[in-house]
Amino acid sequence: EAGVAQSPRYKIIEKRQSVAFWCNPISGHATLYWYQQILGQGPKLLIQFQNNGVVDDSQLPKDRFSAERLKGVDSTLKIQPAKLEDSAVYLCASSLLRVNTGELFFGEGSRLTVL
Amino acid sequence: AQTVTQSQPEMSVQEAETVTLSCTYDTSESDYYLFWYKQPPSRQMILVIRQEAYKQQNATENRFSVNFQKAAKSFSLKISDSQLGDAAMYFCACISGANNLFFGTGTRLTVIP
Repeated sequence: EAGVAQSPRYKIIEKRQSVAFWCNPISGHATLYWYQQILGQGPKLLIQFQNNGVVDDSQLPKDRFSAERLKGVDSTLKIQPAKLEDSAVYLCASSLLRVNTGELFFGEGSRLTVL
Repeated sequence: AQTVTQSQPEMSVQEAETVTLSCTYDTSESDYYLFWYKQPPSRQMILVIRQEAYKQQNATENRFSVNFQKAAKSFSLKISDSQLGDAAMYFCACISGANNLFFGTGTRLTVIP
């Protein structure tokens, strides 16, 4: 079974530029999550999708971050314009059921460096 | 609201020995789940073990077991017969009520050959 795929693995940009990350979850997983992991911290949820609908985006900085999940499969996370404090690893995860009854499957992450 | 605290930023263990990683949590919900996730240097996080709060029996998965002390809100992970492949960041996490999975700050485990 293929795992959660993410790209790019690494991205370096200058502040005020834009960047987009892509995620392809495990086939059949209805729930998709984007987490931000700043160095030395645990992952923090940015947004959760159930199929193509947003379940929770309360921690998403909506003035600069946006995310979509077209057709309930792939998802993209965009940052525009980027700030220095956005430097982090962006983790995508998926689950078959709601997370409190199932297991989250994570991708390898996309490491963003903002200069 | 929920919080998860891991007070050990780093731990080390000799290969084949046993190590215990600590975690405390706080939640106002009566129904919740606790997890330990492992994040190797490649950064793909995987679930190690899960505990349902309503179960009194401590969860075990091969060499991994937990000590769940509900009254103390403590959820420690014990790794027996440590192997080099156990070296990683370990995150304690909790989900309760309508909240999403909330992670602690992690413990970096080094395994000494």
